[in-house]
Amino acid sequence: GENVEQHPSTLSVQEGDSAVIKCTYSDSASNYFPWYKQELGKGPQLIIDIRSNVGEKKDQRIAVTLNKTAKHFSLHITETQPEDSAVYFCAASGTSYGKLTFGQGTILTVHP
Amino acid sequence: GAVVSQHPSRVICKSGTSVKIECRSLDFQATTMFWYRQFPKQSLMLMATSNEGSKATYEQGVEKDKFLINHASLTLSTLTVTSAHPEDSSFYICSARDQQSSETQYFGPGTRLLVL
Repeated sequence: GENVEQHPSTLSVQEGDSAVIKCTYSDSASNYFPWYKQELGKGPQLIIDIRSNVGEKKDQRIAVTLNKTAKHFSLHITETQPEDSAVYFCAASGTSYGKLTFGQGTILTVHP
Repeated sequence: GAVVSQHPSRVICKSGTSVKIECRSLDFQATTMFWYRQFPKQSLMLMATSNEGSKATYEQGVEKDKFLINHASLTLSTLTVTSAHPEDSSFYICSARDQQSSETQYFGPGTRLLVL
């Protein structure tokens, strides 16, 4: 089955800096890669996703890049703000019914 | 759009009782819903995949007789934890797959279960 590795487990940045979280996956058949933000005590919130037919996608301060050859994808957050502080999860899916395999999560802390 | 609700948000029950958790897609139809369990400071663990009108598919190691799942309509799935024990205490989260988008999953706010 699919295995997703996520790094780093914790990330601390100053407000205004950029943050990068990286994930690797094992199943070359995976073709959908979402990123979720989870605040304490809440459910995960989809922030951006990318499909295997594109290499990069951007939405305001958030961007995701995908390298299918190397089987890794990354989340980039620019101009970080304290409200970006949360746990971020990457995931991968390759089946037709959308079963997701999650990474271990990254605790992002943005210091004012 | 794409809102998923869960009820209740928190529940405390006595050991041996059963607890039902509801998951609803409020503004879209979901042919598939997923149930996850999350322990503190850990990732989400998929418990089962629920398809409308058919039996749920459980992940390896998840007891289907203990975690009963029903998906009776395109907007509602329920998870019943039967004969709950303290080790069942956890954060249970559902997600719904938008029928219009084959992969996108939207998550509910989660249900915190505490079994005494």
